[in-house]
Amino acid sequence: SQTIHQWPATLVQPVGSPLSLECTVEGTSNPNLYWYRQAAGRGLQLLFYSVGIGQISSEVPQNLSASRPQDRQFILSSKKLLLSDSGFYLCAWNSGSTIETQYFGPGTRLLVL
Amino acid sequence: RKEVEQDPGPFNVPEGATVAFNCTYSNSASQSFFWYRQDCRKEPKLLMSVYSSGNEDGRFTAQLNRASQYISLLIRDSKLSDSATYLCVVAGGGSYIPTFGRGTSLIVHP
Repeated sequence: SQTIHQWPATLVQPVGSPLSLECTVEGTSNPNLYWYRQAAGRGLQLLFYSVGIGQISSEVPQNLSASRPQDRQFILSSKKLLLSDSGFYLCAWNSGSTIETQYFGPGTRLLVL
Repeated sequence: RKEVEQDPGPFNVPEGATVAFNCTYSNSASQSFFWYRQDCRKEPKLLMSVYSSGNEDGRFTAQLNRASQYISLLIRDSKLSDSATYLCVVAGGGSYIPTFGRGTSLIVHP
């Protein structure tokens, strides 16, 4: 069966510090991968998605970037965090068409102080 | 107009009640529809897909109305454990990425 991992689970970072969040999927090949952010009391905001290694689509221009160095690995990064980057970061995957059911990882809760 | 709209609630109902949520979508060519459940401080989890003919899973019934562009979720005999946020998701029709509604909060009380 397929599983999706995210780490760290929680993170407290100062403003201006760098960020690296990692997501890995097991049990499937060539998944579509997604990064979402959910601010407190808000809906899911799609940040990036990838349909293959090295292919990244950005949905919202901001100080975040994403990379997909391996088939089942998706990384979210920032060089300098802002207060507004605080939130719940969720990685998701699906297979085949991007309109198929998405499955989410447990998320990383980020607090920028 | 937002692509996917939901009443944020909260819907506050007693145990055993029947409750229904609606979700409207703007893209008439949408092809895939889902309901997800999100518990507090947890990730969303698929509750059920929504099929054109409607579908049922235990106490949960999902319906699709393409003419009026909405989907619905009916929960019968509500349990305390049903308390959560229910997210409507729509995909397809030229949009390659599923669009999530902001969710409807359900609180089931004793």
